[in-house]
Amino acid sequence: SQQGEEDPQALSIQEGENATMNCSYKTSINNLQWYRQNSGRGLVHLILIRSNEREKHSGRLRVTLDTSKKSSSLLITASRAADTASYFCATDSGGSYIPTFGRGTSLIVHP
Amino acid sequence: NAGVMQNPRHLVRRRGQEARLRCSPMKGHSHVYWYRQLPEEGLKFMVYLQKENIIDESGMPKERFSAEFPKEGPSILRIQQVVRGDSAAYFCASSPDRGAYEQYFGPGTRLTVT
Repeated sequence: SQQGEEDPQALSIQEGENATMNCSYKTSINNLQWYRQNSGRGLVHLILIRSNEREKHSGRLRVTLDTSKKSSSLLITASRAADTASYFCATDSGGSYIPTFGRGTSLIVHP
Repeated sequence: NAGVMQNPRHLVRRRGQEARLRCSPMKGHSHVYWYRQLPEEGLKFMVYLQKENIIDESGMPKERFSAEFPKEGPSILRIQQVVRGDSAAYFCASSPDRGAYEQYFGPGTRLTVT
């Protein structure tokens, strides 16, 4: 079964707007990661946030983690057409270092 | 520094044939992971290997699928007697050590079974 589930499944916005994607999971985690996948390509690692962290930034990306709600959000500010991709959250828990991926959010940024 | 390399990028096989997918990890990485992705789905873990060892194969189907990572050369994911349901994108990822949670992905091999 999926550990992380992204929401929404699809998001369509205009260039310059902010995009927010959410990820919910069921069991306690060690780490949560966000990846991007461009069409027909492999995944690219964006950010890793540990269970004892609440927020991390990387450029135009901001990730928050709320372990009490078992959820995380990925915010992309001032979106660009090049941000068009699928975004996946992945969690690992217990003694496993192998991330479990959600189904992803498909983001389309219109120029 | 070359990234993770996979070949072939596209592979077409008829039902009953064998498929061999190759993965060369990033330089300096000795840990390899294989995932399968169906259309509109996330990645499903298949197997985790270190040089000459299978560490975790909990996601591998019990039959027809095997994986290896020899001392020399790429990691190979082998699917025998392919069926239409094996059609998917197969991704390989590598990491420098067991405790490194960030994985570096290859471009994938798209397998089509006709």
